[in-house]
Amino acid sequence: QVHLVESGGGVVQPGRSLRLSCAASGFSFDTSGMHWVRQPPGKGLEWVAIIWYDGGTTYYADSVKGRFTISRDNSKNTLYLQMNSLRAEDTAVYYCARVYGVPSLNPIDIWGQGTEVTVSS
Amino acid sequence: QLVLTQSPSASASLGASVNLTCTLSSGHISYAIAWHQQQPEKGPRFLIKLSSDGSHTKGDGIPDRFSGSTSGAERYLSISSLQSEDEADYYCQTWGTGVWVFGGGTKLTVL
Repeated sequence: QVHLVESGGGVVQPGRSLRLSCAASGFSFDTSGMHWVRQPPGKGLEWVAIIWYDGGTTYYADSVKGRFTISRDNSKNTLYLQMNSLRAEDTAVYYCARVYGVPSLNPIDIWGQGTEVTVSS
Repeated sequence: QLVLTQSPSASASLGASVNLTCTLSSGHISYAIAWHQQQPEKGPRFLIKLSSDGSHTKGDGIPDRFSGSTSGAERYLSISSLQSEDEADYYCQTWGTGVWVFGGGTKLTVL
């Protein structure tokens, strides 16, 4: 069965760092592109970042560029999001998600359940 | 700029049908999109990928009640025989060169 399980969320002060993880199972992780998508409280979905299957290509939303880093360890079937210089507006539920096939040609087809990040002093 | 526009809300009666609309921005009307469903307090679920020519691919286990269609810049999600569990937020998504975009979402109420 296909699963994406996020972890690492919590409450963090502004300016601090946090690393999220996403454990994948039930599919070929090392041939799948992966996204991070977030959802602020009471609001819609916002795309954050994407990484190609081999980690060789990454893209970021302007709102997180220079502060967040997406990475992956295919030997551990795990996706990461390193979040630095956190701001109140980064408060959200963070979802990892898989893209089937070529990432620039296809949508997300598998979602995790999310991990909550709260940035507050 | 690649933008998706959705109506904030829609409603329909139990057992009826409803069409949700996602509109692509000018200059991007040939783009494919996807529809995702988010039930209350749950993570999103992929429903269907919809191309500009009307061809589509559904997610695993998505009932036949869900279908998609295309007309110009409009991408539609049709849900027939509405059930209570269809009450959810529906998001469209598209992608371009180095950019991935979600619409603002439509909250569907089943009366």
